[in-house]
This record gives sequence, structure tokens and C-alpha cells, in this order.
Amino acid sequence: DVKVTQSSRYLVKRTGEKVFLECVQDMDHENMFWYRQDPGLGLRLIYFSYDVKMKEKGDIPEGYSVSREKKERFSLILESASTNQTSMYLCASSPPTGIAYEQYFGPGTRLTVT
Amino acid sequence: GQNIDQPTEMTATEGAIVQINCTYQTSGFNGLFWYQQHAGEAPTFLSYNVLDGLEEKGRFSSFLSRSKGYSYLLLKELQMKDSASYLCAVRFNNAGNMLTFGGGTRLMVKP
Repeated sequence: DVKVTQSSRYLVKRTGEKVFLECVQDMDHENMFWYRQDPGLGLRLIYFSYDVKMKEKGDIPEGYSVSREKKERFSLILESASTNQTSMYLCASSPPTGIAYEQYFGPGTRLTVT
Repeated sequence: GQNIDQPTEMTATEGAIVQINCTYQTSGFNGLFWYQQHAGEAPTFLSYNVLDGLEEKGRFSSFLSRSKGYSYLLLKELQMKDSASYLCAVRFNNAGNMLTFGGGTRLMVKP
């Protein structure tokens, strides 16, 4: 079974803090993704990575950065957390080839910025 | 951006059939996914359509019409455990492995 794990299920941070969200997958997938999920807005892509040290901006990259130093790990960084970044953050991974290119999701991190 | 539209909420009765629709912009279409997400959990893959027609997997089926920019997820013999959000996601040609998600449809199954 593919397993995607995220470092925390719940996180509370203060405005202005630097926040790291970690994601690890154990299936040697090339592609990894970070989304945020908000009521009524669905999943929105923040960043994705198709290889180590490679990254591409998604739909809403402002206020975020990412790091992919190892294939299995993809980190999302909030340089200076703000209250509008309170959200559910979901990490996903997928292989580069295959008919369906389905993405496998982690359990999510619910981040609250106060 | 590419709009993916689906109803926000639906309610159905245990044992019944429910159809959840999804519409999208047809330009550059390269595949459509349905995911199920229970409250507080990760989305899990249900189905994939890239050609027109119906794909059946047990109680769940997914239909695609590329010319109409339309898909539906059909759930038969509804069970209480089917209460969840159902996410429609589209891959477009210019987006590589990225998916664009709709807002999700929250389905409530009542006894």
C-alpha cells in the first residue's frame, strides 16, 4: 500500500512564525504535491515537485515556499504565517507514468494561525 | 483558471441511487478523476475516465462525455458509510501531472 505521511495532524502557530509542514512518501514516487483545502473552494494546488530539487508553482504559491532535497520528502514552508493561511494542508504523491496518474494523499495537517 | 463545477451538497436515502454531476471546460481535457473524502480524512481515488462512456466498479460508476464537458459519479445501493465528500478533478494538457479540483459535493445518506 502506498503511504503518504504528514508530520502533524494539528498545528497551532502565531502570526509571523515560520512554519514547516513535512510530507514523506514510501513508494518512490517522482511527483509530490502540496494543496490547501478550504470550505467551498475545494483543493487548490500550492506547489508541486516532479523530481529532487525541482519545483513548480501551482495556483496559489504566494506566501509559501517548498523544499525537496530527497525524493521521499517534500516540505512546505510558510515564511511568515498569517491568519489567512489557516487551512487544511494536504500532501499527495504520484508516479510519473501509468494510465491513471492517480494521486495518493496524506491525512492532512490542520493549521491554525492565531 | 479552469472551472470545475459540481453541486455543493446532496442528500439521499440509504439503499437508493444518487448521481453527482461535474462539468468542466473542454479545452485541453486530458482525463477526469473522482475521489472520495470522509470528514477529517485524506481523499481516496475512486475512478478515472479519459474516453467517453461508463466505467463501472462495483456499486460506483463514472461516466464521461468529452464533447459536453460533463461527467457524473453514480452510487448505487447507498450505504450510510457513503456519506462523504466527492471530489471531481480534471487533468489538462498543459498542466503535466497537475489536477484541477472542483469544490467537492458533500453527500449525506439518511436512513
